[in-house]
Amino acid sequence: DIQMTQSPSSLSASVGDRVTITCRASQTINNYLNWYQQKPGEAPKLLIYAASSLQSGVPSRFSGSGSGTDFTLTISSLQPEDFATYYCQQGFSARTFGQGTKVEIK
Amino acid sequence: QVQLVESGGGLVKPGGSLRLSCAASGFIFSDYYMSWIRQAPGKGLEWVSYISSSSGYTNYADSVKGRFTISRDNAKNSLYLQVNSLRAEDTAVYYCARENSGSYYGMDVWGQGTTVTVSS
Repeated sequence: DIQMTQSPSSLSASVGDRVTITCRASQTINNYLNWYQQKPGEAPKLLIYAASSLQSGVPSRFSGSGSGTDFTLTISSLQPEDFATYYCQQGFSARTFGQGTKVEIK
Repeated sequence: QVQLVESGGGLVKPGGSLRLSCAASGFIFSDYYMSWIRQAPGKGLEWVSYISSSSGYTNYADSVKGRFTISRDNAKNSLYLQVNSLRAEDTAVYYCARENSGSYYGMDVWGQGTTVTVSS
């Protein structure tokens, strides 16, 4: 089974900060990597698919990069509505989510 | 509009069973793989199972293999999850999600979730 490891597990940041979250796969997954945002009490929302493609309607301050085993989600300028938990997910073999990264207000 | 609505959750005793349902609307259901994902209270997302568009392929997380069964009825635009031999650790919100191009393009539509509580 493919394991997905996110880092950090949590971070504190201020509005306007650049935020980077990393996700590492236990084996190569090509670019079968997706990123989701989840706010308390809500279903997850797809942000990035195929490692670097922005889902329709998602602000351009979100971006993704990487291939193989190492991937990154970047928020270029953190906005108040971005405080949430972020998950990576691989779709190369079965499906696996990372453990999540909680982005909190500093 | 494109929508998924789950139902069938509830309180069940350990060892019990439930059948979760997910009603799809606003898109051609038979064109898409579908997944179930769960989230235990205060925990992260855990993928549970997926089924291909024509039901030819299914896959399960090791934690539910042999106890849960995914199925679909394309004529009724519905997805199901039969959950048997329930344990306390199965307590979670269960979401259904549409997979775009077999998850290559991500799980792009999610339901609001249905809650399963396993307790004596």
